[in-house]
Amino acid sequence: EDQVTQSPEALRLQEGESSSLNCSYTVSGLRGLFWYRQDPGKGPEFLFTLYSAGEEKEKERLKATLTKKESFLHITAPKPEDSATYLCAVQAAYSNYQLIWGAGTKLIIKP
Amino acid sequence: KAGVTQTPRYLIKTRGQQVTLSCSPISGHRSVSWYQQTPGQGLQFLFEYFSETQRNKGNFPGRFSGRQFSNSRSEMNVSTLELGDSALYLCASSFAGTANYGYTFGSGTRLTVV
Repeated sequence: EDQVTQSPEALRLQEGESSSLNCSYTVSGLRGLFWYRQDPGKGPEFLFTLYSAGEEKEKERLKATLTKKESFLHITAPKPEDSATYLCAVQAAYSNYQLIWGAGTKLIIKP
Repeated sequence: KAGVTQTPRYLIKTRGQQVTLSCSPISGHRSVSWYQQTPGQGLQFLFEYFSETQRNKGNFPGRFSGRQFSNSRSEMNVSTLELGDSALYLCASSFAGTANYGYTFGSGTRLTVV
């Protein structure tokens, strides 16, 4: 069964304390892996799409990497405004373009 | 460039009533997906429409339905509302629904059933 698991469920960091969020997946053939950021009461905001193992993408303090089994979202020197829930989703190659979503990691950055 | 517009933003309905939510995608986007989000269940996929045809459907009862118009605007309808239908309903639009183009979400409609 296709599955996406994110860990940890919640993460509290001090401002400036770097860390990583994990998204592990099991699909038969990956078409793409998405990272989104969601603030309370709002819709998810697109961050990155990764397509193949070894690929990396960066945006400000965020860097996403992809292997054959998992993706990491690395946060370098985070600021309080980086606090949000980070969601991961995958699209399987054989699927009819449907996304499979993880439950998200709630990130809290304390000043 | 206008984003994805969902109306209304907030809605309070009584159990047993029905409700219609609207989603206007980004201009040129032909795929519209609907999701239900609750604190306990996360993002749950309802259905996806592409060029007026339902392309994918999640595991929700038949009380949940949708449609897409020729201008790509989409509506979802929930009949015979239950208390458990209280949630944030999100729609996401994409040019073609493929990974290459990503998905853009609206701000959602917060539905409360009392």
